[in-house]
Amino acid sequence: SQKIEQNSEALNIQEGKTATLTCNYTNYSPAYLQWYRQDPGRGPVFLLLIRENEKEKRKERLKVTFDTTLKQSLFHITASQPADSATYLCALEKGQAGTALIFGKGTTLSVSS
Amino acid sequence: NAGVTQTPKFQVLKTGQSMTLQCAQDMNHNSMYWYRQDPGMGLRLIYYSASEGTTDKGEVPNGYNVSRLNKREFSLRLESAAPSQTSVYFCASIPGTGFSSGNTIYFGEGSWLTVV
Repeated sequence: SQKIEQNSEALNIQEGKTATLTCNYTNYSPAYLQWYRQDPGRGPVFLLLIRENEKEKRKERLKVTFDTTLKQSLFHITASQPADSATYLCALEKGQAGTALIFGKGTTLSVSS
Repeated sequence: NAGVTQTPKFQVLKTGQSMTLQCAQDMNHNSMYWYRQDPGMGLRLIYYSASEGTTDKGEVPNGYNVSRLNKREFSLRLESAAPSQTSVYFCASIPGTGFSSGNTIYFGEGSWLTVV
């Protein structure tokens, strides 16, 4: 069956460092992969989408890579700040014509000053 | 423009009681979704509606029913609540009818449900 795995439940880093989060998937051939941010007590919010034919996508301090051979996406936050502390979720479409979006369990990032 | 609005925000139910979670979106989106989120389990899809008048089961539909009342509203009903349904419920919507074209999903703020 199709699975998404975010390898680390929690990641603790110091302010100013680069945070790298991993998303692996099996039994998928997704056309897109998405990343979301979720703050405590709130709903997830969309950050970035990367297509299967794109190797890398950037938005301000965020960078996402997508390796369809390894079946893996890496999510980087450069020059991290305490305000980046949140849970980050990766997501893939599933089903015929991609009618549903399936999420990984998330990685909780804590950035200390 | 409120986006996706869910009510109630918090609810405590006794085992066996029924209730309906309401969801409305004002973005003229076609597809709507109900997820539940539990510690260690992540977000799991309960039901979805790809368009007005259609509904489909997700990963964990047992114990729930849904109604796509019109294009704006998608409700989730627990007919006989069980402690295992204690969770945070999120409603969401997208503009199109699927994710194969790269649609991203908009979530509501969540409904915290406790069944005792």
